[in-house]
Amino acid sequence: QKEVEQNSGPLSVPEGAIASLNCTYSDRVSQSFFWYRQYSGKSPELIMSIYSNGDKEDGRFTAQLNKASQYVSLLIRDSQPSDSATYLCAVNVGIKSGGGADGLTFGKGTHLIIQP
Amino acid sequence: NAGVTQTPKFRILKIGQSMTLQCTQDMNHNYMYWYRQDPGMGLKLIYYSVGAGITDKGEVPNGYNVSRSTTEDFPLRLELAAPSQTSVYFCAISREVPSEQYFGPGTRLTVT
Repeated sequence: QKEVEQNSGPLSVPEGAIASLNCTYSDRVSQSFFWYRQYSGKSPELIMSIYSNGDKEDGRFTAQLNKASQYVSLLIRDSQPSDSATYLCAVNVGIKSGGGADGLTFGKGTHLIIQP
Repeated sequence: NAGVTQTPKFRILKIGQSMTLQCTQDMNHNYMYWYRQDPGMGLKLIYYSVGAGITDKGEVPNGYNVSRSTTEDFPLRLELAAPSQTSVYFCAISREVPSEQYFGPGTRLTVT
C-alpha cells in the first residue's frame, strides 16, 4: 500500500517569512514528485515537480527531494497572504512493472495560513 | 484548468440513481484519470486510461465504470449511487508518464 504522509496543520507563517512544508512517502520505487496548491472549493493546481535528488527552484518556490530518506519538501520564500491554501504532496511510481501507467498517490495536504 | 472541462459542476442524486460525469480535454493528451476527494482528505484514484480503448482500475474503483472511445473524452459512470459516493470528482490529464497531471474544475456530487 503506497502512502504519502503530510502534517495536516494548520501551519501558520508570518507574511514575508519562509514557509516549509514536508512530505514523506513509503514506496521506494517512486519516481516523480509533485506539489499542488488547492484553494478552498477549487481544483488542485500544479506548482512544482521534481524527479531527481536535490533542490529545484522556481521563483519563490523550492522543492527538495531526498530519495534515500523518502522525503520531499516545499519551501515558499517571502510568503504572501495569497499563498494561504492547502498544499498537496503527490507521488508517482511511473510505469507499472506489468506495463501500463499509474496515477498519483496524494497526501491529505497541509493547510497553510499566511498571517498579514 | 489546462484545457480540461467537466460537467456538471454540481449534482444531487437520490440513492440508487445513476449518472455519468463528463470529462473532455482539448490538449490531445493520451493519459486521463478520475480522482475523488472527500472532505479533509487527499485525492484517491478511481480509474485511469492510457489511450483510447484502454482503461484500468485505480485504488477505489468499486461502484464506478469508465470508457474511453476517443482521445478527448473520458466519462465516469456511477451505477446505483450510494451515500458513500458523495464527494468531489476531479478529472486529470497528462502528456506522458511519469509527468505532471493537470486537473479539471471538478464535479461536486451529493447522494442522499
